[in-house]
Amino acid sequence: DTGVSQDPRHKITKRGQNVTFRCDPISEHNRLYWYRQTLGQGPEFLTYFQNEAQLEKSRLLSDRFSAERPKGSFSTLEIQRTEQGDSAMYLCASSLDIGQETQYFGPGTRLLVL
Amino acid sequence: AQKVTQAQTEISVVEKEDVTLDCVYETRDTTYYLFWYKQPPSGELVFLIRRNSFDEQNEISGRYSWNFQKSTSSFNFTITASQVVDSAVYFCALSEEGSGGYNKLIFGAGTRLAVHP
Repeated sequence: DTGVSQDPRHKITKRGQNVTFRCDPISEHNRLYWYRQTLGQGPEFLTYFQNEAQLEKSRLLSDRFSAERPKGSFSTLEIQRTEQGDSAMYLCASSLDIGQETQYFGPGTRLLVL
Repeated sequence: AQKVTQAQTEISVVEKEDVTLDCVYETRDTTYYLFWYKQPPSGELVFLIRRNSFDEQNEISGRYSWNFQKSTSSFNFTITASQVVDSAVYFCALSEEGSGGYNKLIFGAGTRLAVHP
């Protein structure tokens, strides 16, 4: 399977705990995006990487959120001191580094904070 | 501000009916892209189509067709002879160019389509 993969697919945690999600993009894609989707809504942009450089962060990404892409391949999204409002689907997408190319999405990580 | 509106929250049809999903967008950009994605119950967003703002030709792919009208800022999606497997949430999205030439997507709230046997 050469699509975008995400791990874990589901995560249940208690309020105040830290969680980390991983995304593996399509191998030849230099661009990587994180989105968040809450129930009944469309995905909202969180952050973008061009290779290992994080070039934009949405104001939705509070100080408790941090994302990395250390070698320009896989990426991690960490949420510290989780809150119930963090419960959502976290989607990763990747695309080629050419203009406004199509973004291909992974299956998402569904987070539930109790 | 960039915005995508999908006014239909839910649509319910019987198999073999045709159904049209509406999408209206707002943008200041002269060059932009529009997308449709399908999200089945499994949760993964599946890419369906990308359309450049300079290309207003309608497109047909099997039972799917798309009508792009710049004059009304609409990019509607029609499924002909719907099937139960078409049941999903469908999202329309508009690309917004960020620094460095990449695009981030602005999504509508989605339309949930239920196709009943």
